Amino acid sequence: KAGVTQTPRYLIKTRGQQVTLSCSPISGHRSVSWYQQTPGQGLQFLFEYFSETQRNKGNFPGRFSGRQFSNSRSEMNVSTLELGDSALYLCASSLGSLNTGELFFGEGSRLTVL
Amino acid sequence: GQQLNQSPQSMFIQEGEDVSMNCTSSSIFNTWLWYKQDPGEGPVLLIALYKAGELTSNGRLTAQFGITRKDSFLNISASIPSDVGIYFCAGRLIQGAQKLVFGQGTRLTINP
Repeated sequence: KAGVTQTPRYLIKTRGQQVTLSCSPISGHRSVSWYQQTPGQGLQFLFEYFSETQRNKGNFPGRFSGRQFSNSRSEMNVSTLELGDSALYLCASSLGSLNTGELFFGEGSRLTVL
Repeated sequence: GQQLNQSPQSMFIQEGEDVSMNCTSSSIFNTWLWYKQDPGEGPVLLIALYKAGELTSNGRLTAQFGITRKDSFLNISASIPSDVGIYFCAGRLIQGAQKLVFGQGTRLTINP
């Protein structure tokens, strides 16, 4: 059974640009959640999507957005990139909503903003 | 917001030693999850706990869901070099949106 797949694994952008990250959940999983991981802040919850609807949202500015498609694949977008957006972005899927069950993570997309 | 206090932040031990780490909070949780993250990888689920007082093992790893529902610990027995990494606890709050809250992680270093 394939795990959670994230693309791209690494990317470099400059300030002001925008970026789109992709996540394919484990087959059959309907919930996808996104986290930002930085050395100083640990794992910070961005948002969760379940059946194409945003169910939960963390405390991030509106520059961070996401969506989920009918096949449960999800994308997150960060616009007007800032230096502080450099981080490892992790996607996780679960069978049900974030409210239940276990969370399985992908390997992450490491974003560097110059 | 809700906080999970994970300790210790880092550990330096000799191979073969036992390891203990814990997470505490003032909030009440209905689930505890323990993850391990290797460099450059995503966190991997080690143990899931769903009931207060529950004690669960996975090989050399043992975790418990605190009876007050506000804490959990993870023990690793007879550590080996591949145990090196960062260990995270995650708790699912019993109230509100029941989202997962993560601890800051415990970085484990093992001297052979």
